Amino acid sequence: AQRVTQPEKLLSVFKGAPVELKCNYSYSGSPELFWYVQYSRQRLQLLLRHISRESIKGFTADLNKGETSFHLKKPFAQEEDSAMYYCALKGGGNAGNMLTFGGGTRLMVKP
Amino acid sequence: EADIYQTPRYLVIGTGKKITLECSQTMGHDKMYWYQQDPGMELHLIHYSYGVNSTEKGDLSSESTVSRIRTEHFPLTLESARPSHTSQYLCASSGRIYGYTFGSGTRLTVV
Repeated sequence: AQRVTQPEKLLSVFKGAPVELKCNYSYSGSPELFWYVQYSRQRLQLLLRHISRESIKGFTADLNKGETSFHLKKPFAQEEDSAMYYCALKGGGNAGNMLTFGGGTRLMVKP
Repeated sequence: EADIYQTPRYLVIGTGKKITLECSQTMGHDKMYWYQQDPGMELHLIHYSYGVNSTEKGDLSSESTVSRIRTEHFPLTLESARPSHTSQYLCASSGRIYGYTFGSGTRLTVV
C-alpha cells in the first residue's frame, strides 16, 4: 500500500530563514510525487511535481529514492509563503492516477 | 474558462435535512473525486469516479452518496444531515496526464 507521511504538523520560521518541509513516502513501484499548497481562503493548487524538476516561487523538491523522501525547500522564506502544504504520491497499476496525500504541514513565516 | 466549480460555497443547515453539494467541471476530465477536510487538517478521500456510471467509496467511510450521470457533473448527497457531517468538502478532477484540479470547496455546517 502507498503511504505519504509529513512528520511536522506546524513549521514556524522567521522571514528570510531557510525552510524545509519534510515528506516521506512508501511505495513499491516508481513513484510520481507532487507538492500542493493551500493559501488562506484559496483553493488547493499544485505547487510543483518532481518529474519537471522545476522551481516554483523559489521552492524546489528533490526525489530521493534511497531515503524515500521528497522534501520541499526554500532558501529564504517570505511571509506570503505562509500556507498549508500537502505532499502527494501518484501510484500506478489499479490506482490509476489516484493521489495519496500526506497529512499536511502548516508553514508560518513570521516577520 | 475551463475550471471546476463547487456550489454552494457555504451552507448552514438543520439536522435531518437532505442536502446536495454540486460539483461540475468543464475540463473534460474522466476522473473526479470528493474529499473531506477539516480546516488545516488532512484530506480524506470519500468518493471517486473514473467515468460515467462509475462510482467508488474512498478511504474514509462516509454516509454520503454520489452519482455520475454526466462526465462533467459529480454531485454529493447527504440524505439526513447531522452535526458530525460538519466539515469542508472538496471536489477535484484529473485528466490523463497528471495532478488534480481542485474546486473552491463547500463549507458545510449542520446545526
